[in-house]
Amino acid sequence: DAGVIQSPRHEVTEMGQEVTLRCKPISGHNSLFWYRQTMMRGLELLIYFNNNVPIDDSGMPEDRFSAKMPNASFSTLKIQPSEPRDSAVYFCASSLEVSLETQYFGPGTRLLVL
Amino acid sequence: AQTVTQSQPEMSVQEAETVTLSCTYDTSESDYYLFWYKQPPSRQMILVIRQEAYKQQNATENRFSVNFQKAAKSFSLKISDSQLGDAAMYFCAYRRSDYQLIWGAGTKLIIKP
Repeated sequence: DAGVIQSPRHEVTEMGQEVTLRCKPISGHNSLFWYRQTMMRGLELLIYFNNNVPIDDSGMPEDRFSAKMPNASFSTLKIQPSEPRDSAVYFCASSLEVSLETQYFGPGTRLLVL
Repeated sequence: AQTVTQSQPEMSVQEAETVTLSCTYDTSESDYYLFWYKQPPSRQMILVIRQEAYKQQNATENRFSVNFQKAAKSFSLKISDSQLGDAAMYFCAYRRSDYQLIWGAGTKLIIKP
């Protein structure tokens, strides 16, 4: 089975530009998580969805960040406008609703904002 | 609030030897899950092993096993017969009742050939 798919794998952009990160969870998984990883702050949960509904977005740093899950097989994380401090690796993870104990991670998107 | 502590920022081991990575956590919950994830230089997060708190038996996955001490809130990872491919950052994680994962700071494992 295909794992969690993220695109792009790498993104370099200039400050002020809009960035959209994409995620396709594992088929059949009903929960989806967006994480950010930096050297300074480690792994941070940004937001998670259950059955396409955002459950907890308290980790979203500020209004420049938004996430959507229009259907069970696709989610986006958007940063507008981007800033250099947003540079990080962004991970998407998914899990089965009935056994939420294990989250399976995608390969991550390495974002660099110049 | 739950916390996860990995007190070893870096560990090194000779190839084929055994190494143990430490993890302690703090919680008031009685039922929870604990995980070890591996992050190699490729940056992908890979599940290594998981442990249900209600199970007394320690989880094992091939060369990987845990020593779960619930009363002491300790969850160490033992890697036997270390291989070069085991070199990575290892993260201990605790799953809260609301399904969020609380992460340790990670331990960098170096394998010496």
